Order: sequence, then C-alpha cells, then structure tokens
Amino acid sequence: NAGVTQTPKFQVLKTGQSMTLQCAQDMNHEYMSWYRQDPGMGLRLIHYSVGAGITDQGEVPNGYNVSRSTTEDFPLRLLSAAPSQTSVYFCASSPLAGASYNEQFFGPGTRLTVL
Amino acid sequence: GIQVEQSPPDLILQEGANSTLRCNFSDSVNNLQWFHQNPWGQLINLFYIPSGTKQNGRLSATTVATERYSLLYISSSQTTDSGVYFCAVDPQGAQKLVFGQGTRLTINP
Repeated sequence: NAGVTQTPKFQVLKTGQSMTLQCAQDMNHEYMSWYRQDPGMGLRLIHYSVGAGITDQGEVPNGYNVSRSTTEDFPLRLLSAAPSQTSVYFCASSPLAGASYNEQFFGPGTRLTVL
Repeated sequence: GIQVEQSPPDLILQEGANSTLRCNFSDSVNNLQWFHQNPWGQLINLFYIPSGTKQNGRLSATTVATERYSLLYISSSQTTDSGVYFCAVDPQGAQKLVFGQGTRLTINP
C-alpha cells in the first residue's frame, strides 16, 4: 500500500490564481480530510468527507472547495489564492470501522506559497 | 470548543536521556493520537490511544481519559527523536482532530 499520497510536494502561486491539491489513498478508508499547518502551530481542519458524495466544513473552510466523487480521491481546490493561504497542507484518511477505527493517517504534505 | 494543551513547549536533552511529554484536554474524547513531525515535516503516527497504556520500543503512552490527560514517554533518547510531537484529540467521535500546539524536542549528541 502507498498509503496517503499528495501532489504536488511544492507549489508557488500568484495572488488570484487557482489550483487543485491532489490527495489519494489506497486503503479503502471512508473518511478523508484536509488540514493546514501554519508556522509554529498545530494542524487545523479545513474540510472533511465521510464517504463518496459527502463533504462538510471544518474549522477553517473559507477560500477552499472540496468534492468526493470516489472513495480514493479527495482534491482540495483554491479558487482565488491569497497570501493568507500560504501554508503546508496535509491530507488524512481513516477507516470508520474495524480495529483502526478513527485512527487517522496523514500524507506527506504540500507546501504552498502564495505571492 | 475543546482545548488541547501540551507541555512543555520546548525540551532540549542530551542523547540517552528520558523525557515525558504531557497533553491535557478540556472535554471527553473518543480518540487521542500522538504524532511525531520530523525535521522534514512528515507526520508519523506514534500511538492511537483514547485510553490505557501502549508501548512501542522506546516509546510508550498512557491516557487517563477520566482525568483528561495523556503522557508520552521517550526513553534513551536518540538524535533521530528530534522534532515536534503533537497530541490530537477527537471530541465526540466526529473524526475532527483538534491538535495541540506541540512540544519541540531537540536531542543533542
């Protein structure tokens, strides 16, 4: 298993540009989520999904859109990037049943800079 | 919302020393995880421990859910243990992890 994968690893955008951060998992986990980590801080939840077709907002959803068309993929879209969105973005997944119920596994992160 | 406090914020030790990191949380939780963020930024799962005690090599963790705290023990520290240790909790089983601010551990050779 590759676990949780994220692309790209690094990205530089100009203010106003749009882009999509990709996240995929091969563990057949129902739950997927996006977090951002700002310097010197813990992670904060942006959006999450408990299954294909179902998404909901987390603590800091403004400026981000998500969709979940398959179990494996959970892309995060920035429609009009702002400097305040400069951060490291982590994707996570977890099963909603079984021995590892609710244990979250994180991808390697995407470092985004908005100029 | 739930508050998660980690202490100490910074810890500097010599190789071979033992350490205890603490995580206090302000409400009942259905999930508690400890992570190690290495110097390259990768988040590594250490323990999934909503209650009880677990051990994995030189690391062990104890969560006392009724008293709303968890402890992470690192014995015989190595330089590769350096990084930031995060505690994260999920109140009410909503799969929404709330992270503490982390403890930055530096192990000097």
